[in-house]
Amino acid sequence: DQQVKQNSPSLSVQEGRISILNCDYTNSMFDYFLWYKKYPAEGPTFLISISSIKDKNEDGRFTVFLNKSAKHLSLHIVPSQPGDSAVYFCAASGAGTYKYIFGTGTRLKVLA
Amino acid sequence: EAQVTQNPRYLITVTGKKLTVTCSQNMNHEYMSWYRQDPGLGLRQIYYSMNVEVTDKGDVPEGYKVSRKEKRNFPLILESPSPNQTSLYFCASSLRNLAGHRYEQYFGPGTRLTVT
Repeated sequence: DQQVKQNSPSLSVQEGRISILNCDYTNSMFDYFLWYKKYPAEGPTFLISISSIKDKNEDGRFTVFLNKSAKHLSLHIVPSQPGDSAVYFCAASGAGTYKYIFGTGTRLKVLA
Repeated sequence: EAQVTQNPRYLITVTGKKLTVTCSQNMNHEYMSWYRQDPGLGLRQIYYSMNVEVTDKGDVPEGYKVSRKEKRNFPLILESPSPNQTSLYFCASSLRNLAGHRYEQYFGPGTRLTVT
């Protein structure tokens, strides 16, 4: 049972436009969500996170939105750049736990 | 340079031959964890450790062992590897979560393991 789902395996976006990556979760006990970016032959690197007490968190070109009632979060990248081309994973964790559940990833391709 | 290192980076082995993948971090992190990445399945947590001598199972612990005798090291042990353990493995570390504050994980570069 996949508790964290990224239903879009891939996404192509034109340079300069907005990239929107989506993630759905089923466990209402999750209270902390993260996005990681992964380039080929490298480990994932942390991008941005959000606590369940917030509905939005921004860091430069990256914004994460959390909709708790829909159990949905999204990552917005504006403007998208070719260097953003990578696989993006969302992850979730519950209060008081050290377990992390990752989604299956979305491969973003930003076209120049 | 702050980093998580894994060795070896690539390993081909045969079924049943015990192996250890080492993981070391130089950031004085309390928390360390192992993941495997498989096509279509994303990253799945194998084991994690909240501190020295404290470990717990993740989602897919079967066939793996870990130990945490020192803060900086967290080796992953496959006592009797099988072909279904062929995967890309990542070690990660972070500061320990404090009340009201959570920390992101730093990942190593990965170890690609093939079991024939």
